[in-house]
Amino acid sequence: DAGVTQSPTHLIKTRGQQVTLRCSPKSGHDTVSWYQQALGQGPQFIFQYYEEEERQRGNFPDRFSGHQFPNYSSELNVNALLLGDSALYLCASSLRTVSTDTQYFGPGTRLTVL
Amino acid sequence: AQSVTQPDIHITVSEGASLELRCNYSYGATPYLFWYVQSPGQGLQLLLKYFSGDTLVQGIKGFEAEFKRSQSSFNLRKPSVHWSDAAEYFCAVGDSGGGADGLTFGKGTHLIIQP
Repeated sequence: DAGVTQSPTHLIKTRGQQVTLRCSPKSGHDTVSWYQQALGQGPQFIFQYYEEEERQRGNFPDRFSGHQFPNYSSELNVNALLLGDSALYLCASSLRTVSTDTQYFGPGTRLTVL
Repeated sequence: AQSVTQPDIHITVSEGASLELRCNYSYGATPYLFWYVQSPGQGLQLLLKYFSGDTLVQGIKGFEAEFKRSQSSFNLRKPSVHWSDAAEYFCAVGDSGGGADGLTFGKGTHLIIQP
């Protein structure tokens, strides 16, 4: 049973560019959450997708957007990259209807903005 | 707004010694509490969680945590640490346990194991 997978592993971009990160949830999960983890910090919640809609959003600007596909996989898009967007981006999946379920995290995508 | 404080940025423990990592939270209702561990270059692995019931919860790798409502704390403990426990530990709080809400994390505690 595959866990949460993310691609790519590493990515280098320059300021002003756009980037797309991808996530495939754990088998049987229907909800995907995205987090940003800056160096030396805890993860910060960006947003969550369920039934192909954004259900909850953290304190991140509109430059951060996402999408969820019918197979539950998800993309995180960041436009107009800033140096401060350099971070580890973590995807987590869960099953929304199970009250005792938890979020399972992928290995992350390391984004470097030059 | 909910928040999590992990007062210790770094902790150094000798191998075989006991460990306690502190976590304090701010939350209006009964929180859902989690401890995750992150090894270098890795994602987060769930150690244990508290939703309700018994305030002492057991997790993987010999870890346990105790929920104390009066102190707004959820400290992580292990009776005897191993060198492989060296990692970053994160406490988190959520509105639900069903993964229906984003988690709020603390800044983490870096655990160093001395031989």
